[in-house]
Amino acid sequence: DAKTTQPPSMDCAEGRAANLPCNHSTISGNEYVYWYRQIHSQGPQYIIHGLKNNETNEMASLIITEDRKSSTLILPHATLRDTAVYYCIVRADNYGQNFVFGPGTRLSVLP
Amino acid sequence: KAGVTQTPRYLIKTRGQQVTLSCSPISGHRSVSWYQQTPGQGLQFLFEYFSETQRNKGNFPGRFSGRQFSNSRSEMNVSTLELGDSALYLCASSLRGGQQIYGYTFGSGTRLTVV
Repeated sequence: DAKTTQPPSMDCAEGRAANLPCNHSTISGNEYVYWYRQIHSQGPQYIIHGLKNNETNEMASLIITEDRKSSTLILPHATLRDTAVYYCIVRADNYGQNFVFGPGTRLSVLP
Repeated sequence: KAGVTQTPRYLIKTRGQQVTLSCSPISGHRSVSWYQQTPGQGLQFLFEYFSETQRNKGNFPGRFSGRQFSNSRSEMNVSTLELGDSALYLCASSLRGGQQIYGYTFGSGTRLTVV
């Protein structure tokens, strides 16, 4: 079972920031938080990951709370092409650890 | 560089038949994982191969099998197809398998329809 909880859907206006929350209250000390997204009929695409510090790359920012029990993925200026299902996953960096996907959040960016 | 290539993209099979799907990982990647995606169950892990050895297996019946070749290419086979096997089958590759901190790169998948 997935160790994360996400809202099933969210809307965001084009050009505004999209903030996608994720709860992972049972996360272990050696588990990273990963975000992937899946645009319709394509394979999931890696966005960002983090352990305990906030992270930023060209796609998004990841904010992890100090107790690591929740995180937020931020798309700073959402475009229509960001419409997708976003998955938050926790996974330890050990051999044999596969990704367990939950249902994710369906983000709709509206014009 | 070329991404993860899955063939064929679409496939229609009859109940009871078997099917083989192929996955070519990114050059240099040695780990290949397979996932099944259905509307009802979402993305579910099938198995992972690293250096031609199956290292991890999900909760699927023995009709689902796979293998990896010395060039890291992988195939998965489903025998005695059932209607419920209709799904998008996704392959993902990574450099070092489970310890690849950056995760996996997924292919576009093979959409299998069983009629």
